[in-house]
Amino acid sequence: AQSVTQLGSHVSVSEGALVLLRCNYSSSVPPYLFWYVQYPNQGLQLLLKYTTGATLVKGINGFEAEFKKSETSFHLTKPSAHMSDAAEYFCAVKTYNFNKFYFGSGTKLNVKP
Amino acid sequence: EAGVAQSPRYKIIEKRQSVAFWCNPISGHATLYWYQQILGQGPKLLIQFQNNGVVDDSQLPKDRFSAERLKGVDSTLKIQPAKLEDSAVYLCASSQEGGPYFGPGTRLTVT
Repeated sequence: AQSVTQLGSHVSVSEGALVLLRCNYSSSVPPYLFWYVQYPNQGLQLLLKYTTGATLVKGINGFEAEFKKSETSFHLTKPSAHMSDAAEYFCAVKTYNFNKFYFGSGTKLNVKP
Repeated sequence: EAGVAQSPRYKIIEKRQSVAFWCNPISGHATLYWYQQILGQGPKLLIQFQNNGVVDDSQLPKDRFSAERLKGVDSTLKIQPAKLEDSAVYLCASSQEGGPYFGPGTRLTVT
């Protein structure tokens, strides 16, 4: 069975600092990988996804993530945090078979002025 | 292209009452998901349909929850009777090759 682990339920960074949100998956076959963002009282918005091809994926709002098969990781980064980045971020995996889709438990990002 | 539609957006009911949620996926999307998101937690898959067949309902509390997808398009999720712990946002999503794409959700409060 697939599982997604997000290390750190809360991450706090200063405005302008690097953002790093960690995600690891468990699977013998690399799945499709996603990051979603959820602002308070809003729905889930797709940030970026990896399916095949280039392992460094660029998304919206300056975020990017790198698929590392050897580490079974798909960490999300942004070089310089902005106050508007404060939200909850979810990593997710989608299996090749049957399109099953599982979320991690989420990481709340706090950005300090 | 229109997104995933859900209704109602908000619902308040008393425990032991019943409630139903409706989802209209993106046109042509064969896969439809229902998730439950309790405050402070990640979304939990309740049921997944491929066209009008169930792919995974292993986490659906079948004693009180039911779902159907008529003609492989719209879907309804029902809770009967509701419990306090069912208070959550219920998310519907659909996908074809990409996605999934999520609807705005229905916020259910059980009092």
